[in-house]
Amino acid sequence: QVQLVQSGAEVKKPGASVKVSCKASGYTFSGHAMHWVRQAPGQRLEWMGWINAGYGNTRYSQKFQDRVTITRDTSASTAYMALSSLTSDDTAVYYCARLGTGYYDLWGQGTLVIVSS
Amino acid sequence: EVVLTQSPATLSLSPGERAALSCRASQGISSNLAWFQQKTGQAPRLLIYDASNRATGIPARFSGSGSGTDFTFTISSLEPEDFAVYYCQQRINWPPTFGQGTKLEIK
Repeated sequence: QVQLVQSGAEVKKPGASVKVSCKASGYTFSGHAMHWVRQAPGQRLEWMGWINAGYGNTRYSQKFQDRVTITRDTSASTAYMALSSLTSDDTAVYYCARLGTGYYDLWGQGTLVIVSS
Repeated sequence: EVVLTQSPATLSLSPGERAALSCRASQGISSNLAWFQQKTGQAPRLLIYDASNRATGIPARFSGSGSGTDFTFTISSLEPEDFAVYYCQQRINWPPTFGQGTKLEIK
């Protein structure tokens, strides 16, 4: 079954870091780019960055450039998104999304990250 | 970055009626636009890509049109499961951006 399964919800304190995983199954992991998109409460979807799952090269949104790191482990068919220096504005649902033929054709179920003191 | 503006913010209709949603881009994006459906507590689901092509398994009542800066998403006859939030997304201009969404609610 083709799917992306993300790690569970996280509660973090301001200034901390979080790392979300996204495990792919049912398709060739290294054959597709993986993107990360977040959705803060009441806000539109916001693109954060992507990784070429085969070669490992990345590109990030300027907004998150200094705080986000996307990696992957091809042996585990898993992509990771780490975000540092968290503030309350980072409270959101974080999604991984597979890039199919140019569009996001497969999404993880989302991971809720709550940043609160 | 390309700003996508969707209208209306909320659309109240009854099952069986036709729904038409708009997405306007701040600059031309040719046909590089997708439409997603998102239900409460779920991830977005790709419905339409390249402005007018239905994704795999998407019913024929869903359709899209437009190019350049003005796009329309249409549901020809609403089913109860179609009431959700719909987003447009462009991919041609970096970074990829999404509209703010249109909530389709039952009247």
